[in-house]
Amino acid sequence: DAKTTQPPSMDCAEGRAANLPCNHSTISGNEYVYWYRQIHSQGPQYIIHGLKNNETNEMASLIITEDRKSSTLILPHATLRDTAVYYCIVFTGTYKYIFGTGTRLKVLA
Amino acid sequence: ETGVTQSPTHLIKTRGQQVTLRCSSQSGHNTVSWYQQALGQGPQFIFQYYREEENGRGNFPPRFSGLQFPNYSSELNVNALELDDSALYLCASSYQGNTEAFFGQGTRLTVV
Repeated sequence: DAKTTQPPSMDCAEGRAANLPCNHSTISGNEYVYWYRQIHSQGPQYIIHGLKNNETNEMASLIITEDRKSSTLILPHATLRDTAVYYCIVFTGTYKYIFGTGTRLKVLA
Repeated sequence: ETGVTQSPTHLIKTRGQQVTLRCSSQSGHNTVSWYQQALGQGPQFIFQYYREEENGRGNFPPRFSGLQFPNYSSELNVNALELDDSALYLCASSYQGNTEAFFGQGTRLTVV
C-alpha cells in the first residue's frame, strides 16, 4: 500500500500558486519524498524530491515539515499545462515506487 | 521529454496470446523498471532489472517476465493474455535504481 495520502482533486486559478499537500506520517528516517506528475495518458514526469530540507528547482518547490510527516509541492505560477495528476511517493531507494491515486489538479483559465 | 523510449505505442491482442513490449533506457542508466497502469489507477510496480538480473518484483504472476540486455534496454513479456491485462505499460530507467527514475510514454495494450 502507498505510504502517502493526498486529496483526490484540487483547482487552481491560472497564474496563482498551486499548493499540493501530502501526508506521509509513517515515513522513516532514510525515506525520501518524491513528486511526479502525469499528464493525460503520458508517462509520469519527475518533478522534485527531498529528504528533510526544502528543495527548489525550475519546476517547483518542495516544503517538508520538520517532523517529516507531511510535505507540500508548490507550483509558483500555475499554467493550463500544469493540469495533471500529481503523485507524492515515499521512496526507500529499494527499487520500487509505490504510487497512490494522486491529486488531480485542474488549472482554471 | 526523457530519453526513455517504448515500443510499440499501441497494441491490440487477443486473449490467450503472448506479447512483448520493448524499452530503451536513458543514456547512462543501468536500471529499468516496469509498471502497469490500469485506467484511473496509479502505476503498479511489476519488476525491476539491474545489470541484466531481476532486482525486485511486485505482485504479478509468473506469466509476466522480463529481460534486460547488455545495453540496458529491456523487454516485458506477458503470456496467456487476459482481458484484465489491458492497461498502459510504463518503463522507467534510473542509475543504480536508487535515484530518480525517468518514464517513457508507455505502451497501451488492449486485450480483446
